Amino acid sequence: EDQVTQSPEALRLQEGESSSLNCSYTVSGLRGLFWYRQDPGKGPEFLFTLYSAGEEKEKERLKATLTKKESFLHITAPKPEDSATYLCAAPYSGAGSYQLTFGKGTKLSVIP
Amino acid sequence: DTAVSQTPKYLVTQMGNDKSIKCEQNLGHDTMYWYKQDSKKFLKIMFSYNNKELIINETVPNRFSPKSPDKAHLNLHINSLELGDSAVYFCASSQNRPNEQFFGPGTRLTVL
Repeated sequence: EDQVTQSPEALRLQEGESSSLNCSYTVSGLRGLFWYRQDPGKGPEFLFTLYSAGEEKEKERLKATLTKKESFLHITAPKPEDSATYLCAAPYSGAGSYQLTFGKGTKLSVIP
Repeated sequence: DTAVSQTPKYLVTQMGNDKSIKCEQNLGHDTMYWYKQDSKKFLKIMFSYNNKELIINETVPNRFSPKSPDKAHLNLHINSLELGDSAVYFCASSQNRPNEQFFGPGTRLTVL
């Protein structure tokens, strides 16, 4: 069964305290690993897509990396405005293969 | 310009009623989706619709039916609403599946 698991469920950081969020997946024939950010009361906002092990992508203080079994979202010197829930997702391997299965998210709180 | 819009933003109704949620995208995308986000913030795919091909997640009750009058619209109709249908429903769209999906702002449905 296709599964995407994120850890930790919640993370509190002091402003400037770098850390990483984890996303592990058990999707056969992975065709992309997606990261989204969701602010309270809003829809998820696309951040990155990673397609192959070793790939990295960066956006401001965020860097996403991918291995054969997991992805990390590294947050360097976070600011309070980085507070949000971060979701990772992967396409199903079977029918409806462009449908995404999402992890339950990591709720990040950055304290000034 | 709003890329993916949904109406209404809030919907409060009684058990047993029938209701619809509308979704429109102005991105020219070829695939649209409906997701349900429950009280624990878990985002789960319900439907995807591409060029008249409808993929239904097997866990979705047949009281839920998507209707697409044209490529830019995918509405969600729900019959005989139940308490457990209370959730936030998100519409999304994408081009060249699987690919980054653009989400609407969500519709918070409360069934009393």
